[in-house]
Amino acid sequence: DAGVIQSPRHEVTEMGQEVTLRCKPISGHDYLFWYRQTMMRGLELLIYFNNNVPIDDSGMPEDRFSAKMPNASFSTLKIQPSEPRDSAVYFCASSGGGRNNYGYTFGSGTRLTVV
Amino acid sequence: AQKITQTQPGMFVQEKEAVTLDCTYDTSDQSYGLFWYKQPSSGEMIFLIYQGSYDEQNATEGRYSLNFQKARKSANLVISASQLGDSAMYFCAMREGISSGSARQLTFGSGTQLTVLP
Repeated sequence: DAGVIQSPRHEVTEMGQEVTLRCKPISGHDYLFWYRQTMMRGLELLIYFNNNVPIDDSGMPEDRFSAKMPNASFSTLKIQPSEPRDSAVYFCASSGGGRNNYGYTFGSGTRLTVV
Repeated sequence: AQKITQTQPGMFVQEKEAVTLDCTYDTSDQSYGLFWYKQPSSGEMIFLIYQGSYDEQNATEGRYSLNFQKARKSANLVISASQLGDSAMYFCAMREGISSGSARQLTFGSGTQLTVLP
């Protein structure tokens, strides 16, 4: 298994531009999570999905952020318009259901820089 | 209140010695899980070890063990025989609501930066 795949690994964009981050979870995992990591706030949950349905988006900072999961193998996190304070590392993680409570696998992350 | 507290922003240990990284947690759930992740300078999040709240024995995975003290709500990570490659940021995390199946997200502590000295 290739693990959780995120793209791009690095993204540099200008303030005001739209940014789309992508994630492919592990096949068979029915939970998908988007986290953001910054020095100031650490690792924060933004949103998570179960069977492609958003379950908790209370961590999404504002309306500029949106996330979708059109199918079991793909999710996007979009920021429009982007701002310098959005600069962070964005992680996608997936997890299987059932009794395996330690099946959380993280992608390599996308380092976003907004200038 | 913080759900996961890691009070050591940075730790140093001599190569081949053991080190304990502290983690305390706060939950009213009876069924929960505790995790430790390692984040090297390359940035990826690597799962190390898991402890369920009802597990009677402390979890172990190779050189990693979890010192679980339920009454004190602590879940300290012990790394034995430290290696230079252990230098990294270490995060403690918790998942609540396991028995109800309601919540699935992990809540993370602020991390401890471990440096192994040669």
